Amino acid sequence: EAGVVQSPRYKIIEKKQPVAFWCNPISGHNTLYWYLQNLGQGPELLIRYENEEAVDDSQLPKDRFSAERLKGVDSTLKIQPAELGDSAVYLCASGPNTGELFFGEGSRLTVL
Amino acid sequence: AQSVTQLGSHVSVSEGALVLLRCNYSSSVPPYLFWYVQYPNQGLQLLLKYTTGATLVKGINGFEAEFKKSETSFHLTKPSAHMSDAAEYFCAVSPYGGADGLTFGKGTHLIIQP
Repeated sequence: EAGVVQSPRYKIIEKKQPVAFWCNPISGHNTLYWYLQNLGQGPELLIRYENEEAVDDSQLPKDRFSAERLKGVDSTLKIQPAELGDSAVYLCASGPNTGELFFGEGSRLTVL
Repeated sequence: AQSVTQLGSHVSVSEGALVLLRCNYSSSVPPYLFWYVQYPNQGLQLLLKYTTGATLVKGINGFEAEFKKSETSFHLTKPSAHMSDAAEYFCAVSPYGGADGLTFGKGTHLIIQP
């Protein structure tokens, strides 16, 4: 069974440029999560989807971050414009609503 | 609300020695508890989890953890460290094991000395 797939794995951009990350969750997992992991820190939840609905986006900086999960399967996280402080790893996870999460390998963003 | 505290951002042990990584949690409801491992430039992989029932849980790669409600702890142990255990370890808590997502600790970097 395929795991959570994320792309791109690495992205380097200049500040003020836009960037987008894509995630395809494990088949059958209705819940999808985007986490932010800063260097040397644990992951922090940005947004949680139940099917197409964003049920918890309280930690998503909505002035520059947006996300969508059309058709309740794959999801895209966008940053526009990117700032230096956005350099981090963006992790996508999905789960079968048992508490356990399955993570992708992450997308590492470097903003210059 | 939930929170996780991992004591020690770095732990160094000799190969073959006991590994002990400490985790304390705070939860207003019965928690589900998890340990994840992260190797460089990779995502998080589940080591083990506590949901209900037996408080001593065994995971992959010889790791185990014990849920102690009275101490609000879920420490991770391994009797004999191997060089391949060098990685970042994260403790996480979920309320009731639902779909709310996990709250993670800051992580502990495990260093194995030859």
